[in-house]
Amino acid sequence: GENVEQHPSTLSVQEGDSAVIKCTYSDSASNYFPWYKQELGKRPQLIIDIRSNVGEKKDQRIAVTLNKTAKHFSLHITETQPEDSAVYFCAAFFNDYKLSFGAGTTVTVRA
Amino acid sequence: DAGVIQSPRHEVTEMGQEVTLRCKLISGHNSLFWYRQTMMRGLELLIYFNNNVPIDDSGMPEDRFSAKMPNASFSTLKIQPSEPRDSAVYFCASSLTGYEAFFGQGTRLTVV
Repeated sequence: GENVEQHPSTLSVQEGDSAVIKCTYSDSASNYFPWYKQELGKRPQLIIDIRSNVGEKKDQRIAVTLNKTAKHFSLHITETQPEDSAVYFCAAFFNDYKLSFGAGTTVTVRA
Repeated sequence: DAGVIQSPRHEVTEMGQEVTLRCKLISGHNSLFWYRQTMMRGLELLIYFNNNVPIDDSGMPEDRFSAKMPNASFSTLKIQPSEPRDSAVYFCASSLTGYEAFFGQGTRLTVV
């Protein structure tokens, strides 16, 4: 199968708090896991990605962790700011080309 | 590079009409994806091209949908005849390695 499940579907956090989004995938052969951010009315844009040969990657306030054994990966946003409000999608590559997306998480950062 | 360019940005058409969506890839990219986004179904992969060849069209809803890639930098997605349930935002995305996909701005299609 080529399923990517994403939780939660909505997430509301106080400004300055952390946000965590979790995804699971079905194909153990998947080896690349990007995360996209989509602001209202705009295109999805890559914010961070991780490959299967590493367990964690960090870029300023954003980090991604990968557990290949359990087939799940997570996005962590620390010190959230209002501009972090958006829909976040996790994705996994299947068959080396098919990018399958999770259903998305709507993140709202309360000021 | 201006990125992936889609046209038109918005399209309103009547049921039964033919609709053609266009996409210009980032120069040098060799993979092209067409996605459809709706509230109900999220982001769905419709078709994937590699080096101008359709590799996987299993996501194309039905025979009313067709996609072409006449050259390395350009693709079209055609719906004929269009139906109200085709209303969605259609994105194309391109990549070099098949990994980092860059999305176009999308075409918002409304079929009335």
